[in-house]
Parts: sequence; C-alpha cells; structure tokens
Amino acid sequence: GEDVEQSLFLSVREGDSSVINCTYTDSSSTYLYWYKQEPGAGLQLLTYIFSNMDMKQDQRLTVLLNKKDKHLSLRIADTQTGDSAIYFCAVPISGGSYIPTFGRGTSLIVHP
Amino acid sequence: DVKVTQSSRYLVKRTGEKVFLECVQDMDHENMFWYRQDPGLGLRLIYFSYDVKMKEKGDIPEGYSVSREKKERFSLILESASTNQTSMYLCASSPRTGPGANVLTFGAGSRLTVL
Repeated sequence: GEDVEQSLFLSVREGDSSVINCTYTDSSSTYLYWYKQEPGAGLQLLTYIFSNMDMKQDQRLTVLLNKKDKHLSLRIADTQTGDSAIYFCAVPISGGSYIPTFGRGTSLIVHP
Repeated sequence: DVKVTQSSRYLVKRTGEKVFLECVQDMDHENMFWYRQDPGLGLRLIYFSYDVKMKEKGDIPEGYSVSREKKERFSLILESASTNQTSMYLCASSPRTGPGANVLTFGAGSRLTVL
C-alpha cells in the first residue's frame, strides 16, 4: 500500500462539517501537515499538528491525530463554498528525511 | 508577496523539444523541490536539491534533469519532451533546519502540454 493514503473525493452541503481522513505507514517527524490547493494554484500550508498532541483547533479547523492507529484527520466546521479545494495530508516518513510524503489529495466539493 | 516564482504558468511544446522550467525563491531556503501533479495520482517528487550544485532523485526522475547553480534558482529540464510528460509541475522550497524544516512553500505551478 501507499505510505500516505486519503480518499479522493468528499462532497458536503454548505454549513455542514467536513471530515477529511488520512492514514500513514510511519512518521519520522514531530509535525504532520495539511495543505490546501485552490483551483489553478499551488499548495499552501493550512495547518499542522505536533506529534505529541492529539488535537489542535484553529478557528473552524480541528486536526485530530491518533498515533497508535497512524490516523490523521481534518475537520472543517460550517463548511463554505470557498472551502472547495483539494486537501493534502503530508507526513515526513521515517528514515530521517525532511521531505514530506503527500497523500493523493482529497477534493472537497461544497454544494450550496 | 510572492515567494516562490515559476517563470511560466502555461507552456505548449512539441514532442522532442527541450523544455526548461524555471523556479526562483526569495526566502534563502536551502532545499528546493520539483513535483509533478496528475489527477488521481497526487504529487510525485521528481528531483530535489539541498544545496547549490547538489541534487537527489525523487520517485520519478526518468526523463528529467535539474540544475541548481544558485541558491535561489532551481531548474527542471526535459531533454526531449514526450506526451506523457504533459502535466502540472510544482516547484517548492523549504529551510534546511528549524521549526519550518518540513514545511514547503509552493509556487503557483506550470502547466505543460506536450503535443
């Protein structure tokens, strides 16, 4: 299997919560990341979580980390049409590398 | 405040042409990366560089080469473009050390079409 896995699509109604999931095989890093890619643009860092935390909240964003299960999730509360984008989980994989391995990205589609 | 600049947003080339994709960063980052992005496949690392004149192969280096003569500039070269290299190419940079060492700053991307 892949080192970092995400489902490819998520469709939600405006105002609902969105939950994007990510599983990984291993991590060498003290940080795990979520990036956002808006249409026609490059990726931008959205948020991150320190590996000794299990939750981080930042306004409408909540990141949950389950290290035992190697599972990372991103919850977006009150999802807006402007949240429509591709969301990438990024995890530096063990081996001392500073290079993050990206998931395939989850396309979030928000319906009015 | 654009920090990673890719010289061309859109390029159309013919099979067999030599193609240069240029990337410049103004953050004094040591590390620079080239990815290609294809629908359903996500980001795949082509090459990266952790210092001037240094380069390392990523996951899919075949058909590509790179050049890093100056710290701020990292070029991706397609020696003889083929149709299967039609893709979006993303350049990124990151610092070597410190709390941001794993955080990549991306350019806007270069969409290459090879006919």
